[in-house]
Amino acid sequence: AQKVTQAQTEISVVEKEDVTLDCVYETRDTTYYLFWYKQPPSGELVFLIRRNSFDEQNEISGRYSWNFQKSTSSFNFTITASQVVDSAVYFCALSGGYNQGGKLIFGQGTELSVKP
Amino acid sequence: EPEVTQTPSHQVTQMGQEVILRCVPISNHLYFYWYRQILGQKVEFLVSFYNNEISEKSEIFDDQFSVERPDGSNFTLKIRSTKLEDSAMYFCASSGSVSGGHEQYFGPGTRLTVT
Repeated sequence: AQKVTQAQTEISVVEKEDVTLDCVYETRDTTYYLFWYKQPPSGELVFLIRRNSFDEQNEISGRYSWNFQKSTSSFNFTITASQVVDSAVYFCALSGGYNQGGKLIFGQGTELSVKP
Repeated sequence: EPEVTQTPSHQVTQMGQEVILRCVPISNHLYFYWYRQILGQKVEFLVSFYNNEISEKSEIFDDQFSVERPDGSNFTLKIRSTKLEDSAMYFCASSGSVSGGHEQYFGPGTRLTVT
């Protein structure tokens, strides 16, 4: 069975601090995909990143970076120099590989609060 | 930039009533999904739809639920006889690929309140 665990329910930081959101996944698939979505207070789900299981290169996009480690089944997300606008709930999600329909299995989410 | 749209943004209904939630996916997308999020909880998969039929559904998606693509643009979720526990945010999503693993773009959601 597929499962995503985000052990951190809430994180509170002060602006400009770095923060890492943890994500651990379980799957028996050899091909799978990992995602991060952001849910700001307005409620919509905003796509941030997708990684496939064959690509363990870390990725950086501005203040955001992602660390994918297959050996520990983790796909962690770091925000550098956090800002108040980063306050949101962040969801990690997993989907199966080719021809598996693409449904997303979400973690419980981590609520990030960035205080000025 | 193309986006998924959903109507209405908020629907209030009485227990036992039928509701239809509407979505317009991104126009060249092929895979469509419904998810729900009970307040304060995680997002849960309900159903996926491809080539005018359901490709997968979750345990939540029982006989009270149905989906339809009545024309070339709309994608609807119907709940036949709503229950209090159906109160949630319902998200529609679409994807441009027939294979798993491609990013899904979500609509803004419809908040369903069953009283």
